[in-house]
Amino acid sequence: GAGVSQSPSNKVTEKGKDVELRCDPISGHTALYWYRQSLGQGLEFLIYFQGNSAPDKSGLPSDRFSAERTGGSVSTLTIQRTQQEDSAVYLCASSWTGYTEAFFGQGTRLTVV
Amino acid sequence: AQSVTQLGSHVSVSEGALVLLRCNYSSSVPPYLFWYVQYPNQGLQLLLKYTSAATLVKGINGFEAEFKKSETSFHLTKPSAHMSDAAEYFCAVRVDRGSTLGRLYFGRGTQLTVWP
Repeated sequence: GAGVSQSPSNKVTEKGKDVELRCDPISGHTALYWYRQSLGQGLEFLIYFQGNSAPDKSGLPSDRFSAERTGGSVSTLTIQRTQQEDSAVYLCASSWTGYTEAFFGQGTRLTVV
Repeated sequence: AQSVTQLGSHVSVSEGALVLLRCNYSSSVPPYLFWYVQYPNQGLQLLLKYTSAATLVKGINGFEAEFKKSETSFHLTKPSAHMSDAAEYFCAVRVDRGSTLGRLYFGRGTQLTVWP
């Protein structure tokens, strides 16, 4: 596609349920990022994939959070046993290898009730 | 470790006034620097980037930023604010360093309000 695509755009889930958030990066981009943005807060780094290297998972807030990237393309962020504090906008971005800018998707707004 | 500090979480200016959003970074190697803008309910959009070419970088919508190595700064400016500039602005740094190769580090953001 022309840009980074995230789905769903909005997700409401009950506390304790698992959710999966999807990110389709720009074709050919080797780097993929997940960030979380809570209301009134900045961007919180979650995880970074770069080519075939081991992902940088240092930002994942707990073991309830995991992410994978299949075939070097699509990525899924999974949150298990969701809590109300997980409510936020989850942003995905991708970029080429090297020091170019990252392109962001529109985000998935997750609400845990 | 790399870090980005944006001074002032909120900045208010009158329409037509100078916009100055401050960003300081910490990096032990030459950085690549970016400014992004986020309009309500949207993702982030690149305003401009510094990649070791000219130190004065021009971006979209009349914004520009100057890389000052001695001050480790990359402040964003616009000579005359427009109502449509009201948004949140994020400064980011990206470096080549080991396991963090290519990772973007963001500041906490500055919310710009433009008064008529």
